[in-house]
Amino acid sequence: NAGVMQNPRHLVRRRGQEARLRCSPMKGHSHVYWYRQLPEEGLKFMVYLQKENIIDESGMPKERFSAEFPKEGPSILRIQQVVRGDSAAYFCASSPPGGSGTDTQYFGPGTRLTVL
Amino acid sequence: DQQVKQNSPSLSVQEGRISILNCDYTNSMFDYFLWYKKYPAEGPTFLISISSIKDKNEDGRFTVFLNKSAKHLSLHIVPSQPGDSAVYFCAASGDSGGSNYKLTFGKGTLLTVNP
Repeated sequence: NAGVMQNPRHLVRRRGQEARLRCSPMKGHSHVYWYRQLPEEGLKFMVYLQKENIIDESGMPKERFSAEFPKEGPSILRIQQVVRGDSAAYFCASSPPGGSGTDTQYFGPGTRLTVL
Repeated sequence: DQQVKQNSPSLSVQEGRISILNCDYTNSMFDYFLWYKKYPAEGPTFLISISSIKDKNEDGRFTVFLNKSAKHLSLHIVPSQPGDSAVYFCAASGDSGGSNYKLTFGKGTLLTVNP
């Protein structure tokens, strides 16, 4: 009964390096969402993907951030040339296909990114 | 501009008593509301939700009340148990052209239930 899996759980990068965060949705789920939680803040929506499609990336910073959900394999959130302000917890959530839009999103344990 | 506000960063209650967590929102387009519970080093776990066509939804010890005119919702936990100690997030959706996938979260309230 595997839930949403994220790895790594902790990631340390130096300024200017790339960060790759991976998310495997729950079995049978084909909708993936990424959220970011800055310290002392609530979670903020970044992007919504279905297999091979970006549905809504309105919460993604315009530069350095990208996301994909390939036909095979996990969803990837990629941050290029990281800066200290990217330090945060990044959560992935998934929901089943063909939903009405109110389907519950199930969250993974998150990846805590620290930029030195 | 915070559209979902949880004004109490923390709340402490005695085991067996009622816990009331409050949430206010400003966006009148929101029409679906959820509560999530989060333990340290884990992701948020869905607790209970309510659609704007209702004013109350109950699930076991958890009840959510919605007052649309006041743009206010609350989560009641009765009776509170030590295992309920966690951060509780209020979330809302419905302002994405009719789709409810984009959740807007409050900052959370840390609930501590003392034995």
